[in-house]
Parts: sequence; structure tokens; C-alpha cells
Amino acid sequence: QSVLTQPASVSGSPGQSITISCAGTSADIGGYKYVSWYQQYPGKVPKLLVYNASDRPSGVSNRFSGSKSGNTASLTISGLQAEDEAEYYCASYSSTTTFYVFGTGTKVTVL
Amino acid sequence: EVHLVESGGGLVKPGGSLRLSCAASGFTFKYFSMNWVRQAPGRGLDWVSSIRGDSSYIYYADSVKGRFTISRDNAKNSVYLQMDSLRVDDTAIYYCARGRQNAFDIWGQGTTVTVSS
Repeated sequence: QSVLTQPASVSGSPGQSITISCAGTSADIGGYKYVSWYQQYPGKVPKLLVYNASDRPSGVSNRFSGSKSGNTASLTISGLQAEDEAEYYCASYSSTTTFYVFGTGTKVTVL
Repeated sequence: EVHLVESGGGLVKPGGSLRLSCAASGFTFKYFSMNWVRQAPGRGLDWVSSIRGDSSYIYYADSVKGRFTISRDNAKNSVYLQMDSLRVDDTAIYYCARGRQNAFDIWGQGTTVTVSS
């Protein structure tokens, strides 16, 4: 089953900005705006952070922002805080038989 | 408040079957697609299946196609996942998630499925 490729880990100091990339293909990220991002703490339920590549649900901090260029989507966390230490997953609609794919996940560490 | 509550997980032998249920509350269930997403121990998220609000479209991951069946009962505000011919690699937490704007905006707490002899 195809997946979207994310870096295994990204780290940053408090107050800094970090960006997590999510690489796909023209059959998923490149072909549609339907990219979403999720935050998951260990042992907890995933939480939606971004949908439609750059929209935020109500209640999600504006420190989280999404973007898309070509076959790659990105999540930027600005003003990094200790509470941002978690696993982050991208996801996208896919026109292949897979229909929906998740990224491999990125562990964010706050130094 | 919007809630999703899964049930039906457990321990089953390879080749066995389980039926998962997800009860929804706090929103007009029939207007939303519903989805199952799983997470194997220590692994990432893995989309399993989706069903439109009126059951007009149903999708499966290649890894479960022909073995799993998703269905819903809008009168009972519930979605189901019938899992047959279970394999060891189906072992995971199974989450029910509401679909909105091609994303999963509400998640249940999950139910654990363990396939082992």
C-alpha cells in the first residue's frame, strides 16, 4: 500500500519554527487539495490540525500552518513549545485504488 | 458534544472473524462519511475503509479488500466493520473517524484487535 513520505524526526528549540515535509505523487498530493495533518501524543487519539492543505479547524492554534507545492505538502509549527512534542502525520486523498493514504509519521522533539 | 465510541475488539485466532461497531452521537450522522483507521503497535496510521453517508460509495485499502466489509445503519447512528479471514498483521487499534472536507475531524478512542494463535 502506497504511503506518503515524511522525515522520521524533526527537532527545534522553543520559540523556533520547524517544517515537516510530506512527499507524494501526482495521484495524491499533487492532484488534489485534500491534504490533512494530524497530531498524536503517545497512547492518545489523533487530532486534526489542518485540512484542505491549509485550512485549520476551529480551536487549533494558528501556530500550525499548512501549505502545498507540487507533489509535496508541508506543516509549519511556529513558536515551538514543549507541548508540541508529538508524532505528526500527513494524509491525502488518492486517485489510485488506495483512495486515502497516510504519511509515515514524523516525531517532533523540542530541545 | 460530538462522540464516537468503538466496541467489538478482542483476541481472535488467525482466520477468525470479528465485527467492530462505532456508535455516533452529537451530530446528524447520515450527512457524514465514516471511516476506519488502524494503528499497529508502534506503527503509523493506516487507512482501512470509508463509507459515504448514504452508503452509495464504499472504499477499502488493498490490504483488507475481500476480507473486511464496512456498513452503516443511519437509524442507529452506527457504522460497522466486519473483519473476516483475520491475519496476524491485522493486529492494531482500530479507530472510527468522521469524514469532513476529505479529512478525519472526529476520532473515537479506538478498540484493540489482537490476532494471535
